[in-house]
Amino acid sequence: AQTVTQSQPEMSVQEAETVTLSCTYDTSENNYYLFWYKQPPSRQMILVIRQEAYKQQNATENRFSVNFQKAAKSFSLKISDSQLGDTAMYFCALVGTSGSRLTFGEGTQLTVNP
Amino acid sequence: DAGITQSPRHKVTETGTPVTLRCHQTENHRYMYWYRQDPGHGLRLIHYSYGVKDTDKGEVSDGYSVSRSKTEDFLLTLESATSSQTSVYFCAISIRDRSTDTQYFGPGTRLTVL
Repeated sequence: AQTVTQSQPEMSVQEAETVTLSCTYDTSENNYYLFWYKQPPSRQMILVIRQEAYKQQNATENRFSVNFQKAAKSFSLKISDSQLGDTAMYFCALVGTSGSRLTFGEGTQLTVNP
Repeated sequence: DAGITQSPRHKVTETGTPVTLRCHQTENHRYMYWYRQDPGHGLRLIHYSYGVKDTDKGEVSDGYSVSRSKTEDFLLTLESATSSQTSVYFCAISIRDRSTDTQYFGPGTRLTVL
């Protein structure tokens, strides 16, 4: 069984500042993939960033980066230079290589304030 | 844009009526998925398909059936809708991208069962 936990239901940040969203997970698989998805008010699920568990280097995508701590089973998302358009629900998700099922956390609602 | 459309986008129905939701993709991807999204639960997998006429259950499959007679279409049917099936339904496809199988989502269907 796989579980994903996001312990921060809501967060807020001032525009241009940096914020970190937390995610912890549990899986019995040796290899797996981790993702952060963003869901703005439009409801569309948008891929933000992904990380292969076998890669030690943390993934980065422009202003978005992750801190992947495999031993601690932690996968946090850092957003730098926050913008108003970053206001959204953020979901952490995991999929193992032996199955297709994507397991999601409950989400963190991020609000960027002007 | 992964070329995924869902229809209808909104539907209101009554308890006990059958409902079919359609997911259509334009790029012949093998894997397709149906998820439901409810407050406090993130997204949960209902059913998925790994090819024409090849489907399997997810974690919340009770009360739902699926069919895939063509690569491009994946149908989700509620045989007799109940109020507990009021939810937002997302279709997804899986794309092999930079050595990672990544799921991309359609725009969602909001279903209300009265």
